[in-house]
Amino acid sequence: DAGVTQSPTHLIKTRGQQVTLRCSPKSGHDTVSWYQQALGQGPQFIFQYYEEEERQRGNFPDRFSGHQFPNYSSELNVNALLLGDSALYLCASSSVAFGDSGANVLTFGAGSRLTVL
Amino acid sequence: QKEVEQNSGPLSVPEGAIASLNCTYSDRGSQSFFWYRQYSGKSPELIMSIYSNGDKEDGRFTAQLNKASQYVSLLIRDSQPSDSATYLCAVNMFSGGYNKLIFGAGTRLAVHP
Repeated sequence: DAGVTQSPTHLIKTRGQQVTLRCSPKSGHDTVSWYQQALGQGPQFIFQYYEEEERQRGNFPDRFSGHQFPNYSSELNVNALLLGDSALYLCASSSVAFGDSGANVLTFGAGSRLTVL
Repeated sequence: QKEVEQNSGPLSVPEGAIASLNCTYSDRGSQSFFWYRQYSGKSPELIMSIYSNGDKEDGRFTAQLNKASQYVSLLIRDSQPSDSATYLCAVNMFSGGYNKLIFGAGTRLAVHP
């Protein structure tokens, strides 16, 4: 039973560039959440996708956008990269059956470490 | 006020001792609470969940919840050097018709032999 897979594992970009990160949820999960974790900080909620729609968003600018595909996989796009975007980007999946009951049990992928120079 | 607050640590305990990690949260309506462990350079892994007031035990781990005080804690008995990690408190918050999981900044635990 495959867990949450993310790609790429590491990447380096320069300021102003754009990046796309990918995530495949755990088998049986239909909801994908994205988090940004800066060094020494806790994960910060970016947004959550269910049924190909963004249904929750954290305090992140519009430069951060996402997409969910019919097979539940998801992409996170960041435009006009800033130095402050350097972080570990975590994808987490869950089942709406848990999410709407209040028991939002997340399974995390290994993350994509983005460095912006 | 942050939505989920934790002492950043480091919390240093000797091997075999009890480690006590604390967390407070702002949303009085929250119903689900989680502790994740994160080793350096790795992703968070779920170690405990708790939904009702009181204690919940799983092996060496005990989670405690007091909704009236908006307080969650994690006790680790017989601490081992392998328990050295950052412990993240996470609280499920409901808004706009949906739930989202909000994390604290984490408490770094160091267990020394």
